[in-house]
Amino acid sequence: EVQLVQSGAEVKKPGESLRISCKGSGYSFTSYWINWVRQMPGKGLEWMGRIDPSDSRTNYSPSFQGHVTISADKSIRTAYLQWSSLKASDTAIYYCARKDVWGQGTTVTVSS
Amino acid sequence: SYELTQPPSVSVSPGQTARITCSGDALPKKYAYWYQQKSGQAPVLVIYEDSKRPSGIPERFSGSSSGTMATLTVSGAQVEDEADYYCYSTDSSDNHWVFGGGTKLTVL
Repeated sequence: EVQLVQSGAEVKKPGESLRISCKGSGYSFTSYWINWVRQMPGKGLEWMGRIDPSDSRTNYSPSFQGHVTISADKSIRTAYLQWSSLKASDTAIYYCARKDVWGQGTTVTVSS
Repeated sequence: SYELTQPPSVSVSPGQTARITCSGDALPKKYAYWYQQKSGQAPVLVIYEDSKRPSGIPERFSGSSSGTMATLTVSGAQVEDEADYYCYSTDSSDNHWVFGGGTKLTVL
């Protein structure tokens, strides 16, 4: 079974750093781009960017370029989304996804 | 930046046909994908490459695309089809993907 399994919910303070993860299984991890998608409370889906795990090429939405970093370690079939300094406005559910398969989502709460 | 435009809401009675549109300048040359998201759940792919249906998706879901508009059709909509629906596609560069703003389908 093809699966993307994400790391658990996080509660952080403004200014803290964070890295969340997405582990693929059941398929050739390097054959599919991994996308990251944000969903703020009560809002729609926003494409943040993507990574090709075979060579770590990335593309970012202009809205997220410079605010987050997408990376991957193909040896452990895992993609990452990280922040160096969180803001309250980063509070959201974050999904990793191929086009056809999605992770379960990671809830990130940023609050002082 | 590139945008896809959807109506905020569509409402039909059970058994009627619901059509949800998605407009974007690159759609004549780029595929559209459609996702269903029910409350509290991760999105599920219901149509890919304009009109293909993944295994396990009911036949009442279909997709089409013409010019700058893609359309998701739910024929004989059921109460369980109530959800938010999002179109998804890329700009002409293939490097920047976007979601439409989402359409809330109400079946009652």
